Amino acid sequence: QSALTQPASVSGSPGQSITISCTGTSSDIGGYNYVSWYQQHPGKAPKLMIFDVSNRPSGVSNRFSGSKSGNTASLTISGLQAEDEADYYCASYTSSSRGVFGGGTKLTVL
Amino acid sequence: EVQLVQSGAEVKKPGESLKISCKGSGYSFTTYWIAWVRQMPGRGLECMGILYPADSETRYSPSFQGQVTISADKSLSTAYLQWSGLKASDTAIYYCARRASGSYYFDSWGQGTLVTVSS
Repeated sequence: QSALTQPASVSGSPGQSITISCTGTSSDIGGYNYVSWYQQHPGKAPKLMIFDVSNRPSGVSNRFSGSKSGNTASLTISGLQAEDEADYYCASYTSSSRGVFGGGTKLTVL
Repeated sequence: EVQLVQSGAEVKKPGESLKISCKGSGYSFTTYWIAWVRQMPGRGLECMGILYPADSETRYSPSFQGQVTISADKSLSTAYLQWSGLKASDTAIYYCARRASGSYYFDSWGQGTLVTVSS
C-alpha cells in the first residue's frame, strides 16, 4: 500500500496554531477510525500523541488534537511551543489488515 | 511499566545474516501484537510487519514480504527481526512497537536498533 500523504513541512510562531493534514483513501483513513499520530524528536523513538482519530493518551498535552473528514485526517497543535518542534507522522489501519504511515511532516517553530 | 528493550547497534557486511531482538516487559507479551518499523537515514517510518506472539501469526507489508523474517520466543518475551542476506539498502534504524489492544496504534516503542551494512 502507498504511504499516506503529509506536507513535508509546516511552521508557526510560538503561541500560534498549526494543522498537519494526512490524506489517504477509502481503504485506510476513510474506512476506519484507526488514525494515530506520532511525534519524533531527532535521535529519539516516536511517541504516540493521538489515537483513534481524536483521543489523547494520558500525559499528552491538550494542545494536541486530532480529527478526520472523509479520507483526510488532521493534527492540530495550538499554543505552539518550542518543544513542539519535531517530525510528526500519521498512521492508519488498512483494508489489508496492515498499517501504513504517512511520509512525515517537519514542524518548525519560528 | 511497559517496556520494549531492543538489542544494540550492528555493523555488518553485505550478504551477511543478522537477527535483532526486542524484549517486552511489564505486560502480557503474548496478547499484544508487536510490529517492526524501519526508518532509513533521513526518511520516514515504514511498517515492515506485525506478529501476534500467542500464535505467531505474522502479517508482512508487501514491500518487506520475503525480505525479512519476523518471529518471537514466547518463553523469553522477545520478538525478532532477521535477514539472511543483508544489503546496503538495509541500513536503517529499526524500531519494535506494541500495538494497542482492540485498535490499531502503537502505544509503546523500543529505543531502536541501528543496523549499518557496509563493505
